[in-house]
Amino acid sequence: EVQLVESGGGLVQPGGSLRLSCAASGFTLSDYYIDWVRQAPGKGLEWIGRSRNKANGFTTDYAASVKGRFTISRDDSENTLYLQMNSLRTEDTAVYYCVRDILYHSDGNWYCRFDYWGLGTLVTVSS
Amino acid sequence: AIQMTQSPSSLSASVGDRVAITCRASQDIRNDLGWYQQKPGKAPKLLIYAASNLHSGVPSRFSGSGSGTDFTLTIGSLQPEDFATYYCLQDYTYPYTFGQGTKVEIK
Repeated sequence: EVQLVESGGGLVQPGGSLRLSCAASGFTLSDYYIDWVRQAPGKGLEWIGRSRNKANGFTTDYAASVKGRFTISRDDSENTLYLQMNSLRTEDTAVYYCVRDILYHSDGNWYCRFDYWGLGTLVTVSS
Repeated sequence: AIQMTQSPSSLSASVGDRVAITCRASQDIRNDLGWYQQKPGKAPKLLIYAASNLHSGVPSRFSGSGSGTDFTLTIGSLQPEDFATYYCLQDYTYPYTFGQGTKVEIK
């Protein structure tokens, strides 16, 4: 059974750091693109970053709101993905989801399909 | 970044109603659009990808249409389990962007 389990959330002061983990089971993490999506309390969804699969060099992309502060990395031996969050701001307070993207290819185009989501982990940035 | 605007922001409907939610992109995104359903306290679920393709296991009362800048999610006959918030997502270019959500409530 495919599962993604986030951990590492908690309360942190503004300017602080936190590292979230996303443990994958039921599939080989290195074969898939994995994204992070967050949701501030009572708000909508925000895509914040992507880690491509091994075949695409584990390259990453980030939203402007987190670029330069957040970094996605992987540990294939642990089948785990990480989100290192530095210089945290109050506006980073949110539930953070890791999401598997099983890409769909048709007519020469690739399409995103976020088929499995973790349960999310809450990050609260407050003094 | 591409802006995605959903309408309405919320709607009230009855079981059995046909419901349509629209999503407009600030520029042409071909058919690079997905729809997700989220219930309170839960992670979102994929309904539609590539604008009109039904994800595996999703009931056929859900359908998607559109291309370019205008897209529609239609629920053919609303069921009790469909009361939720729906989001569109453009995956045409980075950063991927979601619509603000449409909350479907019971009338």
